[in-house]
Amino acid sequence: ETGVTQTPRHLVMGMTNKKSLKCEQHLGHNAMYWYKQSAKKPLELMFVYNFKEQTENNSVPSRFSPECPNSSHLFLHLHTLQPEDSALYLCASSQDLAGGRETQYFGPGTRLLVL
Amino acid sequence: GQNIDQPTEMTATEGAIVQINCTYQTSGFNGLFWYQQHAGEAPTFLSYNVLDGLEEKGRFSSFLSRSKGYSYLLLKELQMKDSASYLCAVRPPYGQNFVFGPGTRLSVLP
Repeated sequence: ETGVTQTPRHLVMGMTNKKSLKCEQHLGHNAMYWYKQSAKKPLELMFVYNFKEQTENNSVPSRFSPECPNSSHLFLHLHTLQPEDSALYLCASSQDLAGGRETQYFGPGTRLLVL
Repeated sequence: GQNIDQPTEMTATEGAIVQINCTYQTSGFNGLFWYQQHAGEAPTFLSYNVLDGLEEKGRFSSFLSRSKGYSYLLLKELQMKDSASYLCAVRPPYGQNFVFGPGTRLSVLP
């Protein structure tokens, strides 16, 4: 247990569906992240939030829409996805964006399959 | 550009020593991290290097050479539970926009 939980753990959806991924951290951190992990590809950073404000958007298509209502919760809203969006979506948190040996703590991920 | 290379797969025997290499070419550097990720689980932090040299932490050690853009993770007295993917990640000069390598899948055999 890393103190970061994600639901659901597995999700199958059609290309016309709308669904949301949820992440919650119990570490008192101020920064939260969404990553995409595809088979045989490096982890790709999607979004970064610091104190509920979005600070990074790595050219992510608009069919992915993040929401951060408070520092403990992060959502990823999905709509009209494509089969190539099938991947493991990981949430992470860190104390802040300051740097140093500050590491990120990852959740277990949501395994998404788009049919 | 940003590029991090790691071997895709490695195999070693229980009780042995294995070295997992990572080379990077990134626009700026502010630390290198190693993570362990078991299948179906979250990546977990193993080590951090920002200065050249060796950092030792129990059975795991990590080395960095900034001039060569090179790091390695050394695992000693391998155990079956060490079978996992090992991810190398570089932090940029500002912020937390880590660049991750593709990961090395290590299989420890009895």
